[in-house]
Amino acid sequence: AQTVTQSQPEMSVQEAETVTLSCTYDTSESDYYLFWYKQPPSRQMILVIRQEAYKQQNATENRFSVNFQKAAKSFSLKISDSQLGDAAMYFCAYRSSYNNNDMRFGAGTRLTVKP
Amino acid sequence: DGGITQSPKYLFRKEGQNVTLSCEQNLNHDAMYWYRQDPGQGLRLIYYSQIVNDFQKGDIAEGYSVSREKKESFPLTVTSAQKNPTAFYLCASSIMMEPQHFGDGTRLSIL
Repeated sequence: AQTVTQSQPEMSVQEAETVTLSCTYDTSESDYYLFWYKQPPSRQMILVIRQEAYKQQNATENRFSVNFQKAAKSFSLKISDSQLGDAAMYFCAYRSSYNNNDMRFGAGTRLTVKP
Repeated sequence: DGGITQSPKYLFRKEGQNVTLSCEQNLNHDAMYWYRQDPGQGLRLIYYSQIVNDFQKGDIAEGYSVSREKKESFPLTVTSAQKNPTAFYLCASSIMMEPQHFGDGTRLSIL
C-alpha cells in the first residue's frame, strides 16, 4: 500500500521569508497525483497545489511551488514571502491514478508564521 | 455558491448511542468520502461512494455505517460498536480525477 511521510511535525518561518515543507511517499505505481492541502484553525481542508506524476515541470500557484523528484519519491512544498495567513497544518497527499478513491495523507506539518 | 455542508459542527455521543453526521453537496459530484482525523495523524478513509446506492469500505470502516440514497447526500452513522469515536470527521466529494473538495468537518466527542 502507498504511504506518505511528512518528517517535520512542526516548522516555523519569519513573515516574508521562505519555508520548505518536506514530503516523501512510497509507491510502486508509475502514474499518480500528489497534493498539498492546507488546514487552517477553521479545520477546512483547502487545496494548495497539485502535481501529476507524468509531468516533469514542477507545479506553481502564486507563492506556492513544489519540488517534485519522482525518482526520489519526494514532493516538497515551498512557500515564498510567507504571510501570517499561511499559518496552518499542511498535509501532503497521494492519489493513485488507477483507483480514484485511494487517497493517502501524511500526518501533517504545523506551520507557524512569526511576525 | 457550490460546496459541501457538514452538520452539526459539534456532536456529543452518550454510551451505547448511535449518532449520524450529515454531509450534503451541491457540486454535482459523483463520488463522496468520509474521513476520520485524529491528533497527530493524517486523514484516514472510513467509507466512500462512487454512485447512488453503492458504497465501499475504507481502511477503518468498523463501527461505522453509511447510505447513499441521493447523489447529494452521504450521511455517516457512528454506531455504538465504534469504541473510540472521539475525532474530527471530514466529508469530501470529487468528480472524475479532479481533487477532492472538503466540508468544514464535524467534531464528535463522548459524554
